[in-house]
Amino acid sequence: QQPVQSPQAVILREGEDAVINCSSSKALYSVHWYRQKHGEAPVFLMILLKGGEQKGHEKISASFNEKKQQSSLYLTASQLSYSGTYFCGLKGSSNTGKLIFGQGTTLQVKP
Amino acid sequence: KAGVTQTPRYLIKTRGQQVTLSCSPISGHRSVSWYQQTPGQGLQFLFEYFSETQRNKGNFPGRFSGRQFSNSRSEMNVSTLELGDSALYLCASRTEGRQQWEQFFGPGTRLTVL
Repeated sequence: QQPVQSPQAVILREGEDAVINCSSSKALYSVHWYRQKHGEAPVFLMILLKGGEQKGHEKISASFNEKKQQSSLYLTASQLSYSGTYFCGLKGSSNTGKLIFGQGTTLQVKP
Repeated sequence: KAGVTQTPRYLIKTRGQQVTLSCSPISGHRSVSWYQQTPGQGLQFLFEYFSETQRNKGNFPGRFSGRQFSNSRSEMNVSTLELGDSALYLCASRTEGRQQWEQFFGPGTRLTVL
């Protein structure tokens, strides 16, 4: 039931791009992306809803392929502040706070 | 607006003891969820409370319980602590309104069981 994230870890230089994938074997209502910096709480980045709607706070783009039950997070022109662990969380229905999180992808951006 | 607060931030207990953790959600948020975070298992959902009622429960033993008060503050209790309960316990609150998709996490309580 836990979504599978890939890659597990990635190291980038500032300005480079990265893609983080999140796959599920079950039908989804929405995919949520969070970033957690070391020693801090996870912070909401974006939600992708069934039907194509997206809501987020940052200039980060993502996609949600309903047929494949897969979401991808696109980090372009990475900055040092992008470093952290990225989690995708899956919801099976709308009226719940229950998220099933993937194992996380650790991103390190170097100068 | 104040964020989600959790107390205590750090806790050390011994096996067999019990512990109570507290979470105060963002003002106006009535939904509170609890998660356990460990290096091996990642972020795992414990339970969700809304208007003093448990709405969802994860796959944890009955030693893990929670409750929510009328002011939306929530507590979780772990009885008969085991070494494997050592983890960061995070609570998250959300509104039921237009922005209901976003969960705001607190800083967590780091529990160490010796």
